[in-house]
Amino acid sequence: EVVMTQSPATLSVSPGERVTLSCRASQTIKSKLAWYQQRPGQAPRLLIYGASTRATGVPIRFSGSGSGTEFTLTISSLQSEDVAVYYCQHYHNWPPWTFGQGTKVEIK
Amino acid sequence: EVQLVESGRNLVQPGGSLRLSCVASGFVFSNFWMSWVRQVPGKGLEWLASIDERGIEKYYLDSVKGRFTISRDNAGSSVFLHMAGLKVDDTSVYYCVREVGGGAFGGWGQGILVTVSS
Repeated sequence: EVVMTQSPATLSVSPGERVTLSCRASQTIKSKLAWYQQRPGQAPRLLIYGASTRATGVPIRFSGSGSGTEFTLTISSLQSEDVAVYYCQHYHNWPPWTFGQGTKVEIK
Repeated sequence: EVQLVESGRNLVQPGGSLRLSCVASGFVFSNFWMSWVRQVPGKGLEWLASIDERGIEKYYLDSVKGRFTISRDNAGSSVFLHMAGLKVDDTSVYYCVREVGGGAFGGWGQGILVTVSS
C-alpha cells in the first residue's frame, strides 16, 4: 500500500502571500497524484490531477508540481476563499487509493 | 454540471445493514468508474470501494471487504453501497464520487452522514 504523507499539518498565512504544501509518497507513483480542496462544511473538490493539470474552473493561482515521490501544491497569492484543508491522493498501484492526512490552511 | 446526490438512512444499530444510493446527472454515467469515499467528521478521507463502467470490476478497502458491496445501475444512472455488519467505527460521512483521469476523484456528492449507534 502506498502511504501518502503531507506537511505541514497546519499553515497560517497572510492574504496575498505564497503558500507551498508538500506531499510525499512512500514509493514512486510517477505523476498519478491529485490534490483536493475541502472548505469548511463542504465536500472535497478536485483541484489538480496528473500532478500538475488544473481541473476545470480551478483558478490559475493554484499549481501542482513533482513526480515520483515528492509533490507540491502552490497557491501563488492566498485569497480568503482558499481557507480549507488540502488533501493529496495517489492513483498508482491501486487498490487501495490512499489520501494524505491533509494540510489545513488558515488566514493569519 | 456534474451532480451526485446520495440518499439512505442516517442511523443504524451496530450489526445492522444499510444501503446508500447515489443518483448521477450532468454526464454520461455509463462511461465512468464510480467510487465511495468516507470521512469521519473532522478527520481525513478514506477510499472504500470502486466499480468499473460495466459493473464487472469491483475493488474494496481491505477493512470493509466482505461487509460492503458496491453495485451500479447504468440505466438509472445510480451507484449503490450496501453495508452490512456495521460497527460504531463505520460512523462517517459517505461520499459518492466519480473517477476521472485514471483514478482521480472529479465530482463529489454532498455526502450523507451515517451514524452507527445503539
